[in-house]
Amino acid sequence: GESVGLHLPTLSVQEGDNSIINCAYSNSASDYFIWYKQESGKGPQFIIDIRSNMDKRQGQRVTVLLNKTVKHLSLQIAATQPGDSAVYFCAENPGGTSYGKLTFGQGTILTVHP
Amino acid sequence: DTEVTQTPKHLVMGMTNKKSLKCEQHMGHRAMYWYKQKAKKPPELMFVYSYEKLSINESVPSRFSPECPNSSLLNLHLHALQPEDSALYLCASSQDGPGAEGYTFGSGTRLTVV
Repeated sequence: GESVGLHLPTLSVQEGDNSIINCAYSNSASDYFIWYKQESGKGPQFIIDIRSNMDKRQGQRVTVLLNKTVKHLSLQIAATQPGDSAVYFCAENPGGTSYGKLTFGQGTILTVHP
Repeated sequence: DTEVTQTPKHLVMGMTNKKSLKCEQHMGHRAMYWYKQKAKKPPELMFVYSYEKLSINESVPSRFSPECPNSSLLNLHLHALQPEDSALYLCASSQDGPGAEGYTFGSGTRLTVV
């Protein structure tokens, strides 16, 4: 079936480094993607989103890149801080009749060492 | 108010009990969702309500019964659950439209079935 997956389950970086978290998706009909951060014991926290008519979007310290040709999504975090340590999920909305339904990737654990 | 509020935060129930999870949002979102998240796994969709009507049921067992009393409230009634139903139950809401912009999650209810 359709799925959203991640290449790397864990990522360990030093404070101040830039982090890149990758995500592959298989549903070419998906038109909307979201990155979430989830800390232990909390719900997913919205980070940034991107529509399929864009290939790049920037937020505060974060950038999302979308490559529709290879169905690849990435989240770049600049100057990573210990508070960025969490599980990061990409999620896709398949569009059409799947109104509002999000399908999540498996998640990447980001650990930032001071 | 930009939050989705879930109560209780923790719940322990026996297999013969009946309990309810509650979710509330005051962002004017007309779509509300229940997701289930097992440890170290991504959230999985259970139900979608759109304009207070059930629009998606992801083949969830009948021991889970959703209810949407009004546009701000979403309940999940639980009856005769099994230990494998222990999980984090997440509520979310989003704005109307073909995408899922502003897709906001609550902090979840940690459910333990004994």
